[in-house]
Amino acid sequence: GENVEQHPSTLSVQEGDSAVIKCTYSDSASNYFPWYKQELGKRPQLIIDIRSNVGEKKDQRIAVTLNKTAKHFSLHITETQPEDSAVYFCAASNGNTGNQFYFGTGTSLTVIP
Amino acid sequence: GAVVSQHPSRVICKSGTSVKIECRSLDFQATTMFWYRQFPKQSLMLMATSNEGSKATYEQGVEKDKFLINHASLTLSTLTVTSAHPEDSSFYICSASPVAGSTDTQYFGPGTRLTVL
Repeated sequence: GENVEQHPSTLSVQEGDSAVIKCTYSDSASNYFPWYKQELGKRPQLIIDIRSNVGEKKDQRIAVTLNKTAKHFSLHITETQPEDSAVYFCAASNGNTGNQFYFGTGTSLTVIP
Repeated sequence: GAVVSQHPSRVICKSGTSVKIECRSLDFQATTMFWYRQFPKQSLMLMATSNEGSKATYEQGVEKDKFLINHASLTLSTLTVTSAHPEDSSFYICSASPVAGSTDTQYFGPGTRLTVL
């Protein structure tokens, strides 16, 4: 089955700096890669996603890149703000197994004012 | 749009009792709903995949007789934790995948915190 690894597990950045979170996956059939942000005790919120026919996608301060050959994808947050502090999860899906998501282990991001 | 609700948000029960958690898609129809369990500071662990009108598919290691799932309509799935024990205490989150539009996307409910005494 699919195995998704996520690094780093914790990340602290100064406000205004960039943050990068990386994920790797094992199943070459995976074709959909969402990123979720989860604040303490709250639901995961979809912040950006990318499909395997695209190499990069950007939405304001958030961008995701995908390298299918290397089987890794990354989340980039620029001009970080304190409200970006949360746990971020990457996931991979191939759409063939009931659309199951395989989640990474999460990255706790702290943006220091 | 794409709102998923869960009820209750918190529940405390005695050991040996059963607890039912409801997951509803409020403004869309969901072909598939998923149930996850999340321990503190850990990732989401998929428990089962629930399709409307059919039996749920459970992940390896998840007891289907312990965690009963019913998906009676395109907007409602329920998870019943039977004969709950303290080790079942956890944060349970559901998600729903829309019938129309992008079938890749999952929208999450707010979660239910279960405490078994």
